[in-house]
Amino acid sequence: DGGITQSPKYLFRKEGQNVTLSCEQNLNHDAMYWYRQDPGQGLRLIYYSQIVNDFQKGDIAEGYSVSREKKESFPLTVTSAQKNPTAFYLCASSIAGDEQYFGPGTRLTVT
Amino acid sequence: GENVEQHPSTLSVQEGDSAVIKCTYSDSASNYFPWYKQELGKRPQLIIDIRSNVGEKKDQRIAVTLNKTAKHFSLHITETQPEDSAVYFCAASLGYSSASKIIFGSGTRLSIRP
Repeated sequence: DGGITQSPKYLFRKEGQNVTLSCEQNLNHDAMYWYRQDPGQGLRLIYYSQIVNDFQKGDIAEGYSVSREKKESFPLTVTSAQKNPTAFYLCASSIAGDEQYFGPGTRLTVT
Repeated sequence: GENVEQHPSTLSVQEGDSAVIKCTYSDSASNYFPWYKQELGKRPQLIIDIRSNVGEKKDQRIAVTLNKTAKHFSLHITETQPEDSAVYFCAASLGYSSASKIIFGSGTRLSIRP
C-alpha cells in the first residue's frame, strides 16, 4: 500500500475533545502533507513539512496542529478550536515537489 | 499565490467515447503536472504525470498534453470503460524545489454511461 499508513481508519469523538491522527511512512521521503477532504470536494492543504522539525501552514491550518520530530512520522492534532472537524483526512509524502503518495485516510466524525 | 483551475466539475460520457479534462495554472515557474484518480472512499492515486520539458505523454488509453505558453494542461482518456468512473484531480508544482508544494485543482467527477 505504498509505504504510508494512517490510523485509525475511522475515528469518533465528542465535540470539545482534541484528537490526534497518525501518519507514518517508510519511503524515506523528506516531505509530508496533511489534507482535508469534505464530501464531494477537493483536497485542501492543512499543513506540510519539508524537513524534520520544520513545517508550514497550508490553506486551512486554523484549529489544527502538527509536529515533525521524526522523518517517518507527521501526526495531526484536530483541536477543539476547529469549528467543523468532521471530514476525511489524507496524509501524503513525497520527494519534495514530486509525486505524492497518499495514505488510506482517516474518516473523523465529531458529534 | 499559485492557483489551479479545473474544468469541468462533472463529466458524463458514453462507454467507449473519449473524455477530456482541462486545467490551467497561474505560476509560470511550475514544472511538474500530475494527475490523480480517486475512487469513492479511496485514496488518490497517480495515473500519469508530465514535466515541463515535454509537451505530451501517453500511457495506454491515457494521455496528458501541456501547453506552457498558455499555462494549460489536459487529461485525455480514450475508449472509456466503467472502471474509469472516479474523481480526477490535476495538480501543479515547482518540482524539485525545497519549498514547493503541490497545488490541486478542484476535481472532476467522471461518470461512464453503459
